[in-house]
Amino acid sequence: SYELTQPPSVSVSPGQTASITCSGDQLGDKYACWYQQKPGQSPVLVIYQDYKRPSGIPERFSGSNSGNTATLTISGTQAMDEADYYCQAWDSSTSVIFGGGTKLTVL
Amino acid sequence: QVQLQESGPGLVKPSQTLSLTCTVSGGSISIGGYYWNWIRQHPGKGLEWIGYIYYGGSTYYNPSLKSRVIISLDKSQNQFSLNLSSVTAADTAVYYCARDRYDSSGRRFDYWGQGTLVTVSS
Repeated sequence: SYELTQPPSVSVSPGQTASITCSGDQLGDKYACWYQQKPGQSPVLVIYQDYKRPSGIPERFSGSNSGNTATLTISGTQAMDEADYYCQAWDSSTSVIFGGGTKLTVL
Repeated sequence: QVQLQESGPGLVKPSQTLSLTCTVSGGSISIGGYYWNWIRQHPGKGLEWIGYIYYGGSTYYNPSLKSRVIISLDKSQNQFSLNLSSVTAADTAVYYCARDRYDSSGRRFDYWGQGTLVTVSS
C-alpha cells in the first residue's frame, strides 16, 4: 500500500523559515495537500494541489512537490503556526492517504 | 458557509456497531463535485481515512477497514452516515466527517466537522 512519510517533529525560531517534508514513491506525480491541526481542533486546509492556498490562508504558507517529496514551507514563522501538519494525497483516484503528521514547534 | 456536524453515541460496547451521522448544512450532498468522507484520529495519533461516498451512492473504503465499514447517504436529510461493525478498543478515536471537493482548481478536503470522540468500552 502507498505510504507518506513525514518527520515527527520540526523546530523553528520565530521569524525564520520552517520546511516540512512529505515523502512517497513518485509523489510528484500526484497532487499533495497540507492540513494544519491545532490541539483540540479539526484540521484546516492550508495548501492544495501542491502549491495553492485557500482563501484566508496567509501568504507565508507555500508548497511544492517534485520527485518523491512534497514540501510545506512557512516563511516568517509565527507563534500561531505551532501545530501538527499533515500531508495528504490520493493513491489512484479512489484512495486517500495521510502522512503521519509533523509537530511544528516555534521556539 | 458549509458546515458539517457529527452526531452519535460517544460510548459503544465491544463487538457492537458504531454508528455516526454527519449533517451537512449550507450545501447539498445531492450534487456532483464532492466526496463525503469519514476520517478518524486515534488519541494522540495521526489521521486515518475510513472511506467516502459520492452523491450517486458509490462508496470507497480504506482496505484495512473495508470488511467492517458501510457509509450511506440520506439525501432527504442532507446527511451521510458511518457504520463500523465488530468494534474493539482499537476503534476508540475522534471521528470526523469531511468534504472532499474537486473542481477545476483541484481536489481537497475543504470542510471538516468538529469531530466526535467515540470510546469503545464495556
